[in-house]
Amino acid sequence: KAGVTQTPRYLIKTRGQQVTLSCSPISGHRSVSWYQQTPGQGLQFLFEYFSETQRNKGNFPGRFSGRQFSNSRSEMNVSTLELGDSALYLCASSLVLVGGNEQFFGPGTRLTVL
Amino acid sequence: QQQVKQSPQSLIVQKGGISIINCAYENTAFDYFPWYQQFPGKGPALLIAIRPDVSEKKEGRFTISFNKSAKQFSLHIMDSQPGDSATYFCAAQAGDKIIFGKGTRLHILP
Repeated sequence: KAGVTQTPRYLIKTRGQQVTLSCSPISGHRSVSWYQQTPGQGLQFLFEYFSETQRNKGNFPGRFSGRQFSNSRSEMNVSTLELGDSALYLCASSLVLVGGNEQFFGPGTRLTVL
Repeated sequence: QQQVKQSPQSLIVQKGGISIINCAYENTAFDYFPWYQQFPGKGPALLIAIRPDVSEKKEGRFTISFNKSAKQFSLHIMDSQPGDSATYFCAAQAGDKIIFGKGTRLHILP
């Protein structure tokens, strides 16, 4: 069974630009969560999608948004990039909603904002 | 109330020694406590998890100890090996919410 895939793996953008990251969950998984990982803050939850609906949202500004398609693939968008948005963005999938279920993480997209 | 405090930030252990990482939580609604292991360039992967109805869970060289009254849980790695060198995250889940600790970078000396 193929794992969670994320594209692109690396991305360099400049301040003010916007970016879209993509995540393909494990086949059959309906829940996709997004996390931001930085050395200082660790893993911070961005949002979770289940059956094309956002079910949970972390404490991030509205510049961070996402969506999920009918095939469970998900995209995350960050608009008006700031230097502080430089991070590893991880996507995780699970069979159903997160609670009490194992999440399977992708390798992440390393975003650098110059 | 939503924090999970993890310590230490970094840890160096001799090969064959015991590695211990601790986590503390405040919200008593948490009911699932997984540990994730992350190697450089990879996403975190579930290592072992425990629910609060047991005080200990062991899988091979990895053991979780859980103290419900103290709201603390810890990961013990017995006979630590250089291949265990990685970053470890504890987490606490309640319903559809999950909070991660900030991670511990573990280095096992050969």
